[in-house]
Amino acid sequence: DTGVSQNPRHKITKRGQNVTFRCDPISEHNRLYWYRQTLGQGPEFLTYFQNEAQLEKSRLLSDRFSAERPKGSFSTLEIQRTEQGDSAMYLCASSSTTGVYGYTFGSGTRLTVV
Amino acid sequence: RKEVEQDPGPFNVPEGATVAFNCTYSNSASQSFFWYRQDCRKEPKLLMSVYSSGNEDGRFTAQLNRASQYISLLIRDSKLSDSATYLCVVNLSGGYNKLIFGAGTRLAVHP
Repeated sequence: DTGVSQNPRHKITKRGQNVTFRCDPISEHNRLYWYRQTLGQGPEFLTYFQNEAQLEKSRLLSDRFSAERPKGSFSTLEIQRTEQGDSAMYLCASSSTTGVYGYTFGSGTRLTVV
Repeated sequence: RKEVEQDPGPFNVPEGATVAFNCTYSNSASQSFFWYRQDCRKEPKLLMSVYSSGNEDGRFTAQLNRASQYISLLIRDSKLSDSATYLCVVNLSGGYNKLIFGAGTRLAVHP
């Protein structure tokens, strides 16, 4: 385990469909974060887990979005009834408890809603 | 006002040039500061942390001015491989290490 793994790398879906992304963090990291990045912008915070507990959700995360981390290991991010505005790169990151060295990001899942 | 603001860029510089990026943050209680580098269509990667006393890593020097809420990154002797987007990142205070990213400044180094 050398890093954060995200699947799939790319996803093209029709508007209105549901999609689910998976993130496998670095095994010893207990904190996991989801971010969204659109062209020309920095990553925007979506949600955060410490172990299996979801401790914060951004206002960006509408009720169509749900994230889970059932056993404190991998996490999933589901988007229901996708809209074209959901097209973005979805980045997962993990860190240790102190996090003083910043996050380690996965390669991201690029979502295109057509 | 955005929580983290950066020079809009892009910066187009010749190889060997020195280039400086600036960043300001709005939350005076911010505790930790970083510069991340992001290559086109790749994930952000930690370039360096920024310490109050200033710190250097090879050709890269980071400075922090807490009073002015200002962060800088200086790149000396630019290389073609330095071409990327540089993201200024701030860790809000509190317990759980939430990072807030600026929009990034794009650097293009040309021969």
